[in-house]
Amino acid sequence: GAGVSQTPSNKVTEKGKYVELRCDPISGHTALYWYRQSLGQGPEFLIYFQGTGAADDSGLPNDRFFAVRPEGSVSTLKIQRTERGDSAVYLCASSLAGDTEAFFGQGTRLTVV
Amino acid sequence: KQEVTQIPAALSVPEGENLVLNCSFTDSAIYNLQWFRQDPGKGLTSLLLIQSSQREQTSGRLNASLDKSSGRSTLYIAASQPGDSATYLCAVPTQGGSEKLVFGKGTKLTVNP
Repeated sequence: GAGVSQTPSNKVTEKGKYVELRCDPISGHTALYWYRQSLGQGPEFLIYFQGTGAADDSGLPNDRFFAVRPEGSVSTLKIQRTERGDSAVYLCASSLAGDTEAFFGQGTRLTVV
Repeated sequence: KQEVTQIPAALSVPEGENLVLNCSFTDSAIYNLQWFRQDPGKGLTSLLLIQSSQREQTSGRLNASLDKSSGRSTLYIAASQPGDSATYLCAVPTQGGSEKLVFGKGTKLTVNP
């Protein structure tokens, strides 16, 4: 596609439920990143994929968070046993390689009630 | 650990005014610096990417400068318009690599008609 696409744009879930957030990067971009942005803050890094593998997952806050990119294109961020503190905007970005310009999607606003 | 600071946190100006947004970072060993725009409830739009070998980049009414040695960048907006109202974020790669970005908290700009 023309840009990075994220679905859903909004997700409301109950505490304790499982959610999946999807990111479709720009075609041909090998690098894919997930960030999380809380109100009034800048985005914070979660995980980085180069191709199919997670090159750096040091930003994942705990083992309830997991992400996959099985075919080196679409990525899914998975959150188990959601907590109210997980509420944030989850942003996905892609780039041609790790050190070039990053392009962001519109984000998924996750609200845990 | 790379840290990014943006000053001011908020800025309100009348239409037509020229303005400067500031960004500082603690580790000068960076590959590049990127400026983004974020509209309320939206994702990030890349404005300018400055490579470490460059001192400035221009796009339309926007001009970004980079001084690696002092750990500073500025975003200059000429002849501001109400449509420029948004939050402006700067981001730099983390130490030693360029795969993940560290963001400032942003400057919220309001241009009054």
